[in-house]
Amino acid sequence: NAGVTQTPKFQVLKTGQSMTLQCAQDMNHNSMYWYRQDPGMGLRLIYYSASEGTTDKGEVPNGYNVSRLNKREFSLRLESAAPSQTSVYFCASSEAGGPWELFFGEGSRLTVL
Amino acid sequence: KQEVTQIPAALSVPEGENLVLNCSFTDSAIYNLQWFRQDPGKGLTSLLLIQSSQREQTSGRLNASLDKSSGRSTLYIAASQPGDSATYLCAVAGGFKTIFGAGTRLFVKA
Repeated sequence: NAGVTQTPKFQVLKTGQSMTLQCAQDMNHNSMYWYRQDPGMGLRLIYYSASEGTTDKGEVPNGYNVSRLNKREFSLRLESAAPSQTSVYFCASSEAGGPWELFFGEGSRLTVL
Repeated sequence: KQEVTQIPAALSVPEGENLVLNCSFTDSAIYNLQWFRQDPGKGLTSLLLIQSSQREQTSGRLNASLDKSSGRSTLYIAASQPGDSATYLCAVAGGFKTIFGAGTRLFVKA
């Protein structure tokens, strides 16, 4: 019973490099989310996918792209990484339409030098 | 725009003490309020979810209340233990956009 699985768990990039964070859930949830967590700021929503085939911007989408590959998988791509994108990234999923309970992965710690 | 505030930012208590963590939010049009626990370097574990039509939820030593009209929620932890040491996050769901507070870092001294 894996829940939400994120890969990789740790990554170090140089400024300007690109990378993709992968997320998969096995709870048959319709909705998936990407958050970033920075010290003292709580979690902020980057992008979300309400259902397969749709994606929408959250609070801090600049510098990121997402792909909802299928119902299970939702990836986050950094096309040209910047030091300001150093953060811990969390993927989450929920059922759409209520009760909107979020289930989180273990996180991916990204450092951009 | 929904804003979520948690007070205090940090709290240190002796083992066995009962304690209350506070969460306030600015927009009462919510679907639910969720309390999470986060251990250092780990993900978020859901503790309690209170739907907008509910007033409180209980799980073991934890009790969470919700007062939408005043924009407040509290998480009550009874008989605290060193294993309760963690950061506690409050999150308010307005549909697809759940807004998080910055958390309260709790340290329970043995």
